[in-house]
Amino acid sequence: QQQVKQSPQSLIVQKGGISIINCAYENTAFDYFPWYQQFPGKGPALLIAIRPDVSEKKEGRFTISFNKSAKQFSLHIMDSQPGDSATYFCAAGSMDSNYQLIWGAGTKLIIKP
Amino acid sequence: DGGITQSPKYLFRKEGQNVTLSCEQNLNHDAMYWYRQDPGQGLRLIYYSQIVNDFQKGDIAEGYSVSREKKESFPLTVTSAQKNPTAFYLCASRQGALGYTFGSGTRLTVV
Repeated sequence: QQQVKQSPQSLIVQKGGISIINCAYENTAFDYFPWYQQFPGKGPALLIAIRPDVSEKKEGRFTISFNKSAKQFSLHIMDSQPGDSATYFCAAGSMDSNYQLIWGAGTKLIIKP
Repeated sequence: DGGITQSPKYLFRKEGQNVTLSCEQNLNHDAMYWYRQDPGQGLRLIYYSQIVNDFQKGDIAEGYSVSREKKESFPLTVTSAQKNPTAFYLCASRQGALGYTFGSGTRLTVV
């Protein structure tokens, strides 16, 4: 029940296209859903996060869509660029667990020029 | 600038040797974490600490040890009991409901 399932494991998108990464969770106590971006040889960095009181959050080309009833959330990258090539992790946390995050397995995204 | 400093960036360990990875933060965060990342894999939790002088095992604690004597510091020792220590090690810190801040990692290789 504590798992966060992330898909796909890897993704190749043409420059200018839309990249979509999906995550699903079971624990309804989760109330914080961040996405992290990791470049090779670096630590992950917080990209964007959402709480369940909204269905969508947009920051520039990055959008989180949240479906509370389906217990799913997704990251959309619009107009994908080669510089977006990285590994993306979704995660979930709750106040009950002091916001200790449960991580998805990661998605390696490659944007082809 | 506030952040997390991990050192060294690269570390080589001989068979049977203990090595210690350093993690220092100046963010005044209460919680700190150690993760292991193998090539093409996700983040696996080794140990975490919510407050000074207290820490808990994560999913893969065997062969590792930690201490939390100061709020700013959370060193990880990879002992000789860890049979496959070659990996990328990441330290992170967190305060409340804010996101995690990660260091730049230490790449450990057994030679």
